Amino acid sequence: DAGVTQSPTHLIKTRGQQVTLRCSPKSGHDTVSWYQQALGQGPQFIFQYYEEEERQRGNFPDRFSGHQFPNYSSELNVNALLLGDSALYLCASSLYLSSYNSPLHFGNGTRLTVT
Amino acid sequence: QKEVEQNSGPLSVPEGAIASLNCTYSDRGSQSFFWYRQYSGKSPELIMSIYSNGDQEDGRFTAQLNKASQYVSLLIRDSQPSDSATYLCAVNMSRRGGSQGNLIFGKGTKLSVKP
Repeated sequence: DAGVTQSPTHLIKTRGQQVTLRCSPKSGHDTVSWYQQALGQGPQFIFQYYEEEERQRGNFPDRFSGHQFPNYSSELNVNALLLGDSALYLCASSLYLSSYNSPLHFGNGTRLTVT
Repeated sequence: QKEVEQNSGPLSVPEGAIASLNCTYSDRGSQSFFWYRQYSGKSPELIMSIYSNGDQEDGRFTAQLNKASQYVSLLIRDSQPSDSATYLCAVNMSRRGGSQGNLIFGKGTKLSVKP
């Protein structure tokens, strides 16, 4: 049973550049949520995709955008990178129409460093 | 501002002791509560879920919920060095139906179990 997979595992970018991170959900899941985890902090919710639409969004600027594909995989795009965007980016998958207590399954994350 | 508060620690306990981790949350209407364990450099791993007042036990782990006090705790009995990790409290404060992808996380409590 394939879990949540993310790519790449590590990435180094320069300020002002753009980056795309990718996620494949756990088999059988249809919803992808993205989180940002800065060093020493808990994960912060960026947004959630279901049926190829953004369903919920956290307090992140428009530089952060996403996409979900028909096969449920997802991309996170960040434009005009800032030093403060350096963090571990986590993807989590779940079932949208399950009960509210369906747990999230996290991928191993992408470590983004902005120099 | 919806918040989840945890002591950052570090919390140090001897091997075999009970570790007690605490968490408070701001939104009285929150429905579901989770404890995640995160080893250094790894992604969060769900260890306990709790949805109603009282205790929920799973092996050496017990989660306790008191909605009136807006308080969640995690007890780890017979602590082992392998339990050394950061423990994240997460709360689903979303009022919307469907998946609980939007979790509010605390900053985490770092636990160290000394042999």
